[in-house]
Amino acid sequence: AQSVAQPEDQVNVAEGNPLTVKCTYSVSGNPYLFWYVQYPNRGLQFLLKYITGDNLVKGSYGFEAEFNKSQTSFHLKKPSALVSDSALYFCAVRDPYTGGFKTIFGAGTRLFVKA
Amino acid sequence: DVKVTQSSRYLVKRTGEKVFLECVQDMDHENMFWYRQDPGLGLRLIYFSYDVKMKEKGDIPEGYSVSREKNERFSLILESASTNQTSMYLCASSEQVGPGYTFGSGTRLTVV
Repeated sequence: AQSVAQPEDQVNVAEGNPLTVKCTYSVSGNPYLFWYVQYPNRGLQFLLKYITGDNLVKGSYGFEAEFNKSQTSFHLKKPSALVSDSALYFCAVRDPYTGGFKTIFGAGTRLFVKA
Repeated sequence: DVKVTQSSRYLVKRTGEKVFLECVQDMDHENMFWYRQDPGLGLRLIYFSYDVKMKEKGDIPEGYSVSREKNERFSLILESASTNQTSMYLCASSEQVGPGYTFGSGTRLTVV
């Protein structure tokens, strides 16, 4: 069965510092991996995805994520955090070969960026 | 841009009421999904549909049903609302393969 874990409930970082939000996954085949962001009282917004190809994926708002197959991880990164990056971040995984159209979401990590 | 519209942002319903949550997307996406979001639990899949009149149970379908009579509309039905169904409900749509989901803004349902 496919699953995804976000080991940190909350990440605190100072504005201007690099940030990392961690994600690990478990699927039986080759995964599709996603990151979404949720601002207060809003739905989720798509940030980036990994399907195949280059392990470093670039997305919206300066975010990027690195797919590491041996560690089954897909950590979200940004070189320089902004206060406006403060939000709830969800990692998600889909196994297209056994999971069909279903996407499984992690529990979310709340990012606080302090000015 | 694809838009996914959920008809209500906030709803308050009484225990035992039948509740309809509506979701409409405007890009002819084949797949549509209903999730509920609860603190510490992330998003949990209730039902999804990959074609008109087709539906599949997700991970937590108990107490819910769905309807998809037209491609653009996917309705979630709470047959008899209970207080443990108080939650944020998120609708999403996607094309067949690969791309991520487009989410609606969510409906925060309170059952009293």
